[in-house]
Amino acid sequence: GQQLNQSPQSMFIQEGEDVSMNCTSSSIFNTWLWYKQDPGEGPVLLIALYKAGELTSNGRLTAQFGITRKDSFLNISASIPSDVGIYFCAGLDNYGQNFVFGPGTRLSVLP
Amino acid sequence: DAGVTQSPTHLIKTRGQQVTLRCSPKSGHDTVSWYQQALGQGPQFIFQYYEEEERQRGNFPDRFSGHQFPNYSSELNVNALLLGDSALYLCASSLGTRDQPQHFGDGTRLSIL
Repeated sequence: GQQLNQSPQSMFIQEGEDVSMNCTSSSIFNTWLWYKQDPGEGPVLLIALYKAGELTSNGRLTAQFGITRKDSFLNISASIPSDVGIYFCAGLDNYGQNFVFGPGTRLSVLP
Repeated sequence: DAGVTQSPTHLIKTRGQQVTLRCSPKSGHDTVSWYQQALGQGPQFIFQYYEEEERQRGNFPDRFSGHQFPNYSSELNVNALLLGDSALYLCASSLGTRDQPQHFGDGTRLSIL
């Protein structure tokens, strides 16, 4: 079945730094979503992308839908302690019916 | 505006038992999807319900079954529980069209002893 890979698996950054993480696949996806999950909670939607090449921002977050439709990236600018968590990408599957999730990128922000 | 709510929040069962988890979708949403999230992994799709019918199913055995009610709420049933069924079970709701983003509840933590 379709699979997503996320890199890096985990990262430690200093507060105030910018962050970049990627999501890639060998298959084409038609919609990309980025979620953040805090411990003990469900994933919270950050950004949704619907068109190849689309660049969308949500506050300090910016995400892009790759032109090949096989990748997406998420950038966080000027990180703060509450950015700590696990970031998941999700792509709409071939049948256009449901989302496949990546394994996540764990972000730690050092004060 | 109530978001997705799930019950119970935690549950402990033993092998061989059966369990029912419940989900109420976000107000205005009519589609419910269920996911299993093992520790340290991303959510894995179990199945999706729309108009009270199972619309799509992931790679899970028949021990996993579900139901959607006329008010769009949903249940996930798991029979003959195995130790490997221990996980966080997430419910996500969305509106009709299939590319709409899914909004998640906080999940039910199921532990099998």
